[in-house]
Amino acid sequence: EVQLLESGGGLVQPGGSLRLSCAASGFTFSSYAMSWVRQAPGKGLEWVSGINSGGGGTYYADSVKGRFTISRDNSKNTLYLQMNSLRAEDTAVYYCAKASYSSGCHLFDYWGQGTLVTVSS
Amino acid sequence: DIQMTQSPSSLSASEGNRVTITCRASQSIGSYLNWYQQKPGKAPKLLIYAASSLQGGVPPRFSGSGSGTDFTLSITNLHREDFATYYCQQSYSTPSYTFGQGTKLEIK
Repeated sequence: EVQLLESGGGLVQPGGSLRLSCAASGFTFSSYAMSWVRQAPGKGLEWVSGINSGGGGTYYADSVKGRFTISRDNSKNTLYLQMNSLRAEDTAVYYCAKASYSSGCHLFDYWGQGTLVTVSS
Repeated sequence: DIQMTQSPSSLSASEGNRVTITCRASQSIGSYLNWYQQKPGKAPKLLIYAASSLQGGVPPRFSGSGSGTDFTLSITNLHREDFATYYCQQSYSTPSYTFGQGTKLEIK
């Protein structure tokens, strides 16, 4: 059974930093790209960042580019998101999502339960 | 960036009814369109990928269609557990995926 378990969320002051983790199990982690998707309170879904299976390719939404860093440790089956210079508008539930590819289409077939990040003074 | 616009933003229906949700892309995205269902306090769940392919384990009362810029998600014979928020997502401009703003389906 595929499981994705996020951790590391919490309350942080504006300008502060936080590192999220996502522990994966039930599939060959090193074979799949992964992404972080966030959802501000009462709002829709926003793709934040993605990383390819080997970790050599990383991608970011313009809203977080230069402030967030995605990484992975395939030996530990864990995905990370280092978030620096946090702003109030970064407040959201952050989901990690397993990426897959079928019928020529990239998709997110499994999601974690999410971890809440609150940026407030 | 490709913008995704869903309509309506919300709708109400009764169990047993049929509903259709529309998603429009700001440019042609072929069939690179996925649909997700999200219930309150839960993670999104993949329903449909590549515009019309049903994800494993998803009931066949869910169906998707469309290509280019216009797509639809249809749900026939609504069950109580189908009342949720639905999101479309384009995967044409990878890896910069964008989602629609969501459509909340409520019980009438």
